[in-house]
Amino acid sequence: GAGVSQSPSNKVTEKGKDVELRCDPISGHTALYWYRQSLGQGLEFLIYFQGNSAPDKSGLPSDRFSAERTGGSVSTLTIQRTQQEDSAVYLCASRRQGARFSEQFFGPGTRLTVL
Amino acid sequence: DAKTTQPPSMDCAEGRAANLPCNHSTISGNEYVYWYRQIHSQGPQYIIHGLKNNETNEMASLIITEDRKSSTLILPHATLRDTAVYYCIVRDQTGANNLFFGTGTRLTVIP
Repeated sequence: GAGVSQSPSNKVTEKGKDVELRCDPISGHTALYWYRQSLGQGLEFLIYFQGNSAPDKSGLPSDRFSAERTGGSVSTLTIQRTQQEDSAVYLCASRRQGARFSEQFFGPGTRLTVL
Repeated sequence: DAKTTQPPSMDCAEGRAANLPCNHSTISGNEYVYWYRQIHSQGPQYIIHGLKNNETNEMASLIITEDRKSSTLILPHATLRDTAVYYCIVRDQTGANNLFFGTGTRLTVIP
C-alpha cells in the first residue's frame, strides 16, 4: 500500500528564492502534519491540518512560511525568500481520523539546502 | 512538554537486548512517554508509548519507573536493521499538535 510520499526528495536553492515542497498523504487520512529537522537537531513541528478545520500554524517560524492543503489531500509547504537557516529536512506525516496521535505515518522527507 | 535526556550513542551486539534509557524528571502527571526511531534517510517511525505501566508490543518493551522520571526502551533481540536514532519524548495527550524530538540516541547494532 502507498505510504506518505514527498517531493522533491532533494532541493537545492539559492538564498532569496521561493521553494514549494509537496506532500501526498495516505489516502483517506484527514490529519496532516509538517515538521522540519535541522542537522543534528530534533524534530520541530510546523503546521497541522485536520479536515476542514482551520490549520494549527503555531509552529511556523516566520511569515515566510505558509502551507496549503487542497481538497483535503495534497499539501504544499511554501518558503518564500529562503534563508540559509531554512536548510533542513522537511517531513510530512498523516494520520487517519480518530486514530491516536502516535499513529502518524511519516514520509521520507525533502532535504532542502539553501546556498 | 517536558524535556528528555538520552545518551547520544550506544552500541549493541546483534541478537542481544538493546536497553535505551531516557530521563524525563520533569514529566507531569498527564504526560505520556513516547518512543520513535528514525532509520537513516527515512521519516520517524512510532515504536511504543505508555503512561505509567510497562508496555510491550511486537517491536519493543517500555519500562517506566514508578516515579515516572525515567524509562527504558528494550529491543529484546537487536538486529542490524534496528540501527537507527531512537527518540524519547513526553507529551500531553490533550496538548497541542507539536511533536518535538531531542537529539535522541544513535543505536548501532554490531554484527
